[in-house]
Amino acid sequence: GAVVSQHPSRVICKSGTSVKIECRSLDFQATTMFWYRQFPKQSLMLMATSNEGSKATYEQGVEKDKFLINHASLTLSTLTVTSAHPEDSSFYICSAPWGGHEQYFGPGTRLTVT
Amino acid sequence: TQLLEQSPQFLSIQEGENLTVYCNSSSVFSSLQWYRQEPGEGPVLLVTVVTGGEVKKLKRLTFQFGDARKDSSLHITAAQPGDTGLYLCAGHGGSQGNLIFGKGTKLSVKP
Repeated sequence: GAVVSQHPSRVICKSGTSVKIECRSLDFQATTMFWYRQFPKQSLMLMATSNEGSKATYEQGVEKDKFLINHASLTLSTLTVTSAHPEDSSFYICSAPWGGHEQYFGPGTRLTVT
Repeated sequence: TQLLEQSPQFLSIQEGENLTVYCNSSSVFSSLQWYRQEPGEGPVLLVTVVTGGEVKKLKRLTFQFGDARKDSSLHITAAQPGDTGLYLCAGHGGSQGNLIFGKGTKLSVKP
C-alpha cells in the first residue's frame, strides 16, 4: 500500500497563534488530498479537499479563512489553523487517494490549544 | 446526500466470541472500504470491496458487499484482544471523490 506521513504528530500552541500541519505522500503523487477532523470517540469529518494547482474545496460550515490549505506540490499539502482557539483542539488527519478506490491516511496530528 | 449507517456503535465481548458489524445505506456505492483505527493513530485500510455480492477474507475477518452495493458487513471469528479498536466503513462516492464514513464501531475484546 501507499504511505502518507503527517508532521507534527502532536502540537500544543497558545490561543491566538497559528499552527501548520504537513501531509506528505511518500511513495506516490497525489493531485488531491483530503483533510479530516476527528473528535474523541467519533468518526472522521471531512473538512476540505486539497487540490494541487488550484484552490481547496471546503465543506459546508468550515471557515476557509481559518483553515488555510495549500497544495504546494504533488506530494505535499499543508493545513494552517490560523488564530487558533481552544475549540480548535482536535485530531486532524489527512488522506490521499491511490489505486482507484482506496485512500491512505496519515497518522494524524493531535492539536491542543491552551 | 449519501449516508452510511453503521451498527452497532459499541461492542464489548469476550475473547473467542464472534461478532458482526453492519454498514447500510439507501445509496449505491461504487466501492466500500473498511478501516481499523487505534487511539491516536490514523485509520488503516483493511479491505476494499467493489463487486456486488463480493466476499473477501482476511485471516479471521470476513467482509461482504451486498448484491445491490448498498450495504456491507464485517464478521470477526474468535475475536482476540488485539482486534480491539475503532472499525470504520467508508463508501467511495463523495462529490469531491472523498470517502463518506459511517460513525464507526468501537470494539473492545476482553481477555
